[in-house]
Order: sequence, then structure tokens, then C-alpha cells
Amino acid sequence: DIQMTQSPASLSASLGETVTIECRASEDIYNGLAWYQQKPGKSPQLLIYNANSLHTGVPSRFSGSGSGTQYSLKINSLQSEDVASYFCQQYYDYPYTFGAGTKLELK
Amino acid sequence: QVQLKESGPGLVQPSETLSLTCTVSGFSLTSYSVSWVRQPSGKGPEWMGRMWYDGDTAYNSALKSRLSISRDTSKNQVFLKMNSLQTDDTGTYYCTRDWGYFDYWGQGVMVTVSS
Repeated sequence: DIQMTQSPASLSASLGETVTIECRASEDIYNGLAWYQQKPGKSPQLLIYNANSLHTGVPSRFSGSGSGTQYSLKINSLQSEDVASYFCQQYYDYPYTFGAGTKLELK
Repeated sequence: QVQLKESGPGLVQPSETLSLTCTVSGFSLTSYSVSWVRQPSGKGPEWMGRMWYDGDTAYNSALKSRLSISRDTSKNQVFLKMNSLQTDDTGTYYCTRDWGYFDYWGQGVMVTVSS
């Protein structure tokens, strides 16, 4: 199975700040990577797919980048509604696997 | 609009079988694939398996011996059955529309395995 290692596990940032979350795959996943946002008590919501494509309706302050085994999610100008947990997921190979998550809080 | 909704029991006895139903609307099961994803409280999600649009299935090898996914296209429903449940199967179970990535998720159903 492809292991997804996400960092950091938790993150505290101020409003307006730029935040970056990293995800490393145990092998090349050829941009088969998605990012999700999950607020407490809610289902995960798709933010980014194919490593860098913004899902419909997602604010442009969210962006994804990377290739090979290294990927990142960047949030520009952090807003209060961005407080959530974030997960990466690879879909290059079965079984699809997720990272353990990054919990983003306001400083 | 696209919607998925899970239904099933919230409490299952250890060693028993879990049966869940995903009812979809706004898209056809013969055009889109649907996956089941579960998430223990406070942890990352785990992909369980997929019902392809053509009726084929794919399973997480870690669960394959216990898991079965089927569908009834006339009722727009996808079913999950998993046997020999243990306490570490406790969590929230979601059905999702599946492109490899998951663009729509149901609200989830919380399943507790306990006697």
C-alpha cells in the first residue's frame, strides 16, 4: 500500500497569514492526489484534485502543487472559516489511502 | 443536485454483520462510481471499496475477506455488508461519488461496535 505522510499534524496561524501543509507519498503517485477540508461533525469536502486543480466553488486562496512523491496545499490570507482539519489522499493505486490529517487552528 | 445519504444501524454487536445502504440522487449509478469510506473518530479516513459504474467492484485488501458491495440501480442504491465486526470497526461510514478522488460525500452514519 502507498503510505501518505502528512505534516504538520497540527498548525496554529493568524488571520491573513499564508499556511502550507505537506504530504509525502511512499512512492511516485503521478499527481493522483486530492486535498479535503473537514470541519467538526461534518463530512470531508473536496478542495483540490489532480494535485493542483481547484474543485468547483472552492475559494481561489486555496492552491495545490507538487509532483512525484511531494505535494503541498497552500492557503493564502487565512480566514476564520478555514479552521478545520485537512487530509490528503492518493488515488494513483489501490487501495486509495489518506494522510492522518492536519488540524488548523487560529492563533 | 447531487446527493448521497447513508442509512443503517448505529449499534452493532461484536462478531455481527454491518449492513448499510447509500441512496443517491442527482446522478446515475450506471454513469458514476460510488465508494464507501470510513473514519474512526479523530483519525484519517480509510477507503473501503468501490462499486464501479459498470457493476464491477474493487476492495481494500485489508477488508476484502469481510466486505461486500452491491447495488440496485432501479432504486439508486449501493449496499455495504461487512461481517465479523470488531470494536476497531467503530467510526463514521460515508458513501462518496468516486472519480478516484471523492467530489460528493454523504452526511455519514456513525456505527458503534459494542455489546
